Amino acid sequence: AQTVTQSQPEMSVQEAETVTLSCTYDTSENNYYLFWYKQPPSRQMILVIRQEAYKQQNATENRFSVNFQKAAKSFSLKISDSQLGDTAMYFCAFQGNTGTASKLTFGTGTRLQVTL
Amino acid sequence: DSGVTQTPKHLITATGQRVTLRCSPRSGDLSVYWYQQSLDQGLQFLIQYYNGEERAKGNILERFSAQQFPDLHSELNLSSLELGDSALYFCASSPTLDTGELFFGEGSRLTVL
Repeated sequence: AQTVTQSQPEMSVQEAETVTLSCTYDTSENNYYLFWYKQPPSRQMILVIRQEAYKQQNATENRFSVNFQKAAKSFSLKISDSQLGDTAMYFCAFQGNTGTASKLTFGTGTRLQVTL
Repeated sequence: DSGVTQTPKHLITATGQRVTLRCSPRSGDLSVYWYQQSLDQGLQFLIQYYNGEERAKGNILERFSAQQFPDLHSELNLSSLELGDSALYFCASSPTLDTGELFFGEGSRLTVL
């Protein structure tokens, strides 16, 4: 079974600064997807960024980028130029390429607070 | 707005009761997932349906059941409710069986007193 570990329960960053959220995972699969989801106080889960394991290039979405280290099974999220609206819970998630089901396995989340 | 609609948004009920949570997926999405988010256990996968058929089952209690109807909406039935069932229940949808992205609803907050 896959597991996803987020070792930072809470983090804080000042506005305009850069912060990195950590995520490690465990799987025996070779091809899979990794995601970062954001859950603001409104509680809806919003996709931030995704990475396909067979792609070596790290995914980037505007101020959000990942550092994907397949051998180390590490998938960290970097938020540049942090904004107050980035305050949220951030969940790392794994999706195996089983072909018959595509459920996400989530980590326990990191609560990010962006301060003035 | 993800396009996934969940009702009710909030629900308060008593132990031993039964409730039904409803989910309408995004237009055209065939796959529906149910997740439970509680404070102590994070987001737990419950069950997945694809085009009316059950496709994957996670940590879903026997007191819980779900189904997906021909119009693709889904319902999660929770019975013999216990205090520990208090949680946020999310529905998510995706267009295919093995897509890489799920679209989540706003969740149904269930409080069992």
